[in-house]
Amino acid sequence: KAGVTQTPRYLIKTRGQQVTLSCSPISGHRSVSWYQQTPGQGLQFLFEYFSETQRNKGNFPGRFSGRQFSNSRSEMNVSTLELGDSALYLCASSLRDISYMNTEAFFGQGTRLTVV
Amino acid sequence: GENVEQHPSTLSVQEGDSAVIKCTYSDSASNYFPWYKQELGKGPQLIIDIRSNVGEKKDQRIAVTLNKTAKHFSLHITETQPEDSAVYFCAASMWNYGQNFVFGPGTRLSVLP
Repeated sequence: KAGVTQTPRYLIKTRGQQVTLSCSPISGHRSVSWYQQTPGQGLQFLFEYFSETQRNKGNFPGRFSGRQFSNSRSEMNVSTLELGDSALYLCASSLRDISYMNTEAFFGQGTRLTVV
Repeated sequence: GENVEQHPSTLSVQEGDSAVIKCTYSDSASNYFPWYKQELGKGPQLIIDIRSNVGEKKDQRIAVTLNKTAKHFSLHITETQPEDSAVYFCAASMWNYGQNFVFGPGTRLSVLP
């Protein structure tokens, strides 16, 4: 069974540009969450999507957005990049049952974004 | 909101010894506590989790204990091996509120041969 796939693995962008990251969850998983990992702030929750709807949102500015497609694949977008957006962006997928109860979350390898 | 503290930040043990990592959480509504292991260049890997209706859970050399009254939970690794060397993260969330985990800052475990 394939794991969570994130593309691309590495990105270098210039300040002010925008970037789109992609996440393909484990087959059958309907929930996708995104996290930002930095040495200073650790792992921080960005948002979660379930059945194409954003269910939860962390404390990040509106420059960070996401979406989920009908096949559960998800993308996140960061507009007007700042130097501080340099981080490892991780995607996690989980099965979720019909009652939306939490189940195990599995992470991808992440996309390393460097803003110069 | 929820806040998760984790100690120690670094831990070195001899191969074969046990390692214990402790976490505390602030929100009594949290009821799901996973532990993740992250190796260099990789994403976090789920190693064990526990729900608030259970006090202890074991999986081979790994165990997790939960004290709801004190709001703390611990990871125990016995018979450590060099391949256990990694950064370990604890997290807390509400079972029925979504996958918005609040993570601890991490513990770098080094197992010395």
